[in-house]
Amino acid sequence: AQKITQTQPGMFVQEKEAVTLDCTYDTSDPSYGLFWYKQPSSGEMIFLIYQGSYDQQNATEGRYSLNFQKARKSANLVISASQLGDSAMYFCAMRPLPGANSKLTFGKGITLSVRP
Amino acid sequence: NAGVTQTPKFQVLKTGQSMTLQCAQDMNHEYMSWYRQDPGMGLRLIHYSVGAGITDQGEVPNGYNVSRSTTEDFPLRLLSAAPSQTSVYFCASWVGGSGNTIYFGEGSWLTVV
Repeated sequence: AQKITQTQPGMFVQEKEAVTLDCTYDTSDPSYGLFWYKQPSSGEMIFLIYQGSYDQQNATEGRYSLNFQKARKSANLVISASQLGDSAMYFCAMRPLPGANSKLTFGKGITLSVRP
Repeated sequence: NAGVTQTPKFQVLKTGQSMTLQCAQDMNHEYMSWYRQDPGMGLRLIHYSVGAGITDQGEVPNGYNVSRSTTEDFPLRLLSAAPSQTSVYFCASWVGGSGNTIYFGEGSWLTVV
């Protein structure tokens, strides 16, 4: 069984500063993918970044980077130079790769508020 | 346009009524799933499908029914709506293998009174 844990309470960050959103996971699958999604107040799920468990380098996408520490089973999202538009709910998710049983499991999410 | 289409976007039901949330994708994706989102609970998996004719239960399947008669469509049926099913529902689809692109519908806001 897969489990994603996001335990931070609501996070606050000053505009233009960096922020780290924590995510730990538990799985018995040897190969898996880790995802981060952003959900603004409008409700849609916006894909941010992906990390495969066998990827040698940490994933980066513009201002987003994923601090992947496989031994510690953590996949923290780092947002650099925060913007007001980054205020949203952020979800960490994972799924086993590949295979017929490919359920995508989400954490409970973290609310990020960016202060001007 | 490629993507996941969910309908309706908003719905109010009375307790005991039945309804179907529609989900369609035109990308020939093998995997489709339904999630519900409740405050403080994240997205929880209701049912999922790994291909036409194959469905399985997720974390919170009670009160919901699904079928997958075609690759494109994955409807979610509420058999007898209850206030506890008031939630936001998301449909998602993705290709199999190591694909990392997961497409979400825009969500369906359901209120059961």
